[in-house]
Amino acid sequence: GAVVSQHPSWVICKSGTSVKIECRSLDFQATTMFWYRQFPKQSLMLMATSNEGSKATYEQGVEKDKFLINHASLTLSTLTVTSAHPEDSSFYICSAKDRGGDQPQHFGDGTRLSIL
Amino acid sequence: SQKIEQNSEALNIQEGKTATLTCNYTNYSPAYLQWYRQDPGRGPVFLLLIRENEKEKRKERLKVTFDTTLKQSLFHITASQPADSATYLCALRNQAGTALIFGKGTTLSVSS
Repeated sequence: GAVVSQHPSWVICKSGTSVKIECRSLDFQATTMFWYRQFPKQSLMLMATSNEGSKATYEQGVEKDKFLINHASLTLSTLTVTSAHPEDSSFYICSAKDRGGDQPQHFGDGTRLSIL
Repeated sequence: SQKIEQNSEALNIQEGKTATLTCNYTNYSPAYLQWYRQDPGRGPVFLLLIRENEKEKRKERLKVTFDTTLKQSLFHITASQPADSATYLCALRNQAGTALIFGKGTTLSVSS
């Protein structure tokens, strides 16, 4: 089945640090990738949608200068949390979708980000 | 705005019983609806997709129904097992049709 690999799975860093999270589709080409954020006992909140080779589309309220997304190839997207602060601590999950309107989205196992 | 509601945050049942989870949505007419399972500290795993012209879909012990008049989907797990304990998420495409949006989920606990 379709596998999405996300790395790292856990990051602890100091306030002000920038953190990069990678998301790879291992056995399919992901024309579209998505980044979600999830707080404890809350639903997944869509942050942005990215298509390979073009700029990401951010959801309302998500700062694009703070959460930099790059989707340079059909199998790799990165999310960089710039100058992270404690309020950015959360569970970040990437997702990838194959071509076709009603294909399911496949998810990585998430990155637990803790900013001290 | 679009809203997805899953009827309860938690559902506790005994092993062997059927678990029924509800997903209601408003302000949207989705062409299809999806159900995912999420274990603690993990990403969601796709379970089933049901299209608007399908009343029911089955996969092993799972069954999903989709009533576009009631704007509701029911998700059933028959002969439940402790290993079925997880959070189950209902998901629909957003208005732009580009990404999934999720309900808050129902956490199912199956006791032996």
